[in-house]
Amino acid sequence: QKEVEQNSGPLSVPEGAIASLNCTYSDRVSQSFFWYRQYSGKSPELIMSIYSNGDKEDGRFTAQLNKASQYVSLLIRDSQPSDSATYLCAVNKFDTGGFKTIFGAGTRLFVKA
Amino acid sequence: NAGVTQTPKFQVLKTGQSMTLQCAQDMNHNSMYWYRQDPGMGLRLIYYSASEGTTDKGEVPNGYNVSRLNKREFSLRLESAAPSQTSVYFCALNPPGVSGANVLTFGAGSRLTVL
Repeated sequence: QKEVEQNSGPLSVPEGAIASLNCTYSDRVSQSFFWYRQYSGKSPELIMSIYSNGDKEDGRFTAQLNKASQYVSLLIRDSQPSDSATYLCAVNKFDTGGFKTIFGAGTRLFVKA
Repeated sequence: NAGVTQTPKFQVLKTGQSMTLQCAQDMNHNSMYWYRQDPGMGLRLIYYSASEGTTDKGEVPNGYNVSRLNKREFSLRLESAAPSQTSVYFCALNPPGVSGANVLTFGAGSRLTVL
């Protein structure tokens, strides 16, 4: 079982719709959770972080965390063509060498104009 | 990608050749990471370094060595390149802060092809 799992997609939504991206993780002691966005040919960039159960909103983005279910999601409201990218779910875990971040395989999102 | 410089940006190697990917930062961060990214595989951690002089294995360390001789630089070496190491390599930094609150800043990436 992968430590962080995401549907690879592609997920296709029309412009203005809500895009829903999901992620599950296997290590129950994980404390920090992130969503990174990666445009084709570019490096990943952080768009959301969440550390406690519940919802966290930032503009059109809402991250949701349920530690009991080991589930993290990202909602993008009023999706725009510029949101078309790969979205990477990431989880922090502590190891003997310090904290390290483990990524899921990413979900490709296409927003159709 | 200000603050994180990766070199080279592109490289083509023949099987068995060696090379070193360089990562340099000007952000005075302690923790540095090397990831590789392959289609459909997301980012996989190769090695990381919590501080100058320390390194630890990540998810896929085989075939790689790293060096963190000073705080500023973290290098990744392929001693005998194999076609399976064809990938895009990213260096990343993690600023010090709240425990566990890693937020990674990535370099622009190095695209390596092994023939």
